[in-house]
Amino acid sequence: EDKVVQSPLSLVVHEGDTVTLNCSYEVTNFRSLLWYKQEKKAPTFLFMLTSSGIEKKSGRLSSILDKKELSSILNITATQTGDSAIYLCAVDPPSGTYKYIFGTGTRLKVLA
Amino acid sequence: NAGVTQTPKFRILKIGQSMTLQCTQDMNHNYMYWYRQDPGMGLKLIYYSVGAGITDKGEVPNGYNVSRSTTEDFPLRLELAAPSQTSVYFCASSYSTAGALTDTQYFGPGTRLTVL
Repeated sequence: EDKVVQSPLSLVVHEGDTVTLNCSYEVTNFRSLLWYKQEKKAPTFLFMLTSSGIEKKSGRLSSILDKKELSSILNITATQTGDSAIYLCAVDPPSGTYKYIFGTGTRLKVLA
Repeated sequence: NAGVTQTPKFRILKIGQSMTLQCTQDMNHNYMYWYRQDPGMGLKLIYYSVGAGITDKGEVPNGYNVSRSTTEDFPLRLELAAPSQTSVYFCASSYSTAGALTDTQYFGPGTRLTVL
């Protein structure tokens, strides 16, 4: 069965810390992996990663896919209280299905 | 652009009642999705549609029905509501061409449903 597992489940850090969130997947022939940030309401898109292994960056956030390890990490440097959210990882499975598989998310709390 | 809109925002149902959750997108996206999110959990796909007139089951379709008569609208119907359907429901849309990587999904604000 296809599965996406995120770790840790929750994390509490102080402003300025650097955090690394992990997403492991057991999905055969996946097409892409997506990261979302969910604050109080709907998830918002952060990054899409493909098997090319190219790192994606946006400000203090960066993410990369490790195809050998079947995992992806999301790094946030110099965290701010506004980074507090649930971070969701989703895998886009093989062509033709579009049945995204989501992990349970990592709940990040950044203390001032 | 309003993006993806959902109504209602909140609803309380009694066991056995039925209702329709509305979802509309104005981005001319061909793909639309319905997810549910239970407390502390990720999103589970209920149904999705790759275009008007075409729908398919996701991971947890039991107890739900959908239709897609237009590109813009993708309503989700709950028949005979049960307490297990208490959840937050998100509608999403994206654009993709055949064989290509799908673009990012844009989510609506969600509908919080309680079944008592």
